[in-house]
Amino acid sequence: GESVGLHLPTLSVQEGDNSIINCAYSNSASDYFIWYKQESGKGPQFIIDIRSNMDKRQGQRVTVLLNKTVKHLSLQIAATQPGDSAVYFCAESSGLTSGSRLTFGEGTQLTVNP
Amino acid sequence: SAVISQKPSRDICQRGTSLTIQCQVDSQVTMMFWYRQQPGQSLTLIATANQGSEATYESGFVIDKFPISRPNLTFSTLTVSNMSPEDSSIYLCSVEWMFTDTQYFGPGTRLTVL
Repeated sequence: GESVGLHLPTLSVQEGDNSIINCAYSNSASDYFIWYKQESGKGPQFIIDIRSNMDKRQGQRVTVLLNKTVKHLSLQIAATQPGDSAVYFCAESSGLTSGSRLTFGEGTQLTVNP
Repeated sequence: SAVISQKPSRDICQRGTSLTIQCQVDSQVTMMFWYRQQPGQSLTLIATANQGSEATYESGFVIDKFPISRPNLTFSTLTVSNMSPEDSSIYLCSVEWMFTDTQYFGPGTRLTVL
């Protein structure tokens, strides 16, 4: 069946460096992708999303890149801060209608060292 | 931004008992979902809570074990029935507004079954 997975379970970076978190997906019909941040003891928090008709989208300090050819998604965090330490999940859905199921990746633990 | 709340935030329950978790949103939403997140793992969709009708369950989840109600557009409950230690997880509700595909999550309910 479809699956969404992450290449690395943990990532450790120095404060101020840029972070890149990767995600692979297998469903070629996926057309909507979301990155969530989950801090300890909290629910996932929406960070940024991208549709399959785009290959790049930027937010505040974050950029999502989508490579449909190799079914790869990445989240780039600029000037990483200690408050960015969390587990990051990618999620994907297929179908343009509201209520499409989200399939989550396994998560990457980002640790920012001061 | 809308507020999504869950009650209780955490509970410790005895084997064989049942727990009902509430999800409340401060504005009307189109879709409501329930997820399970086992310790150290990703999120798995349990079911879609349908307003005024039976919930739509994912493979591996059944109504007898996880009865769901959604009496209106701002409220849903998930009951974990006849609990066993394997049900120890974080249970999360998420919501989606009309004309969007983005799901936003509540803070979660951390359940421990002894």
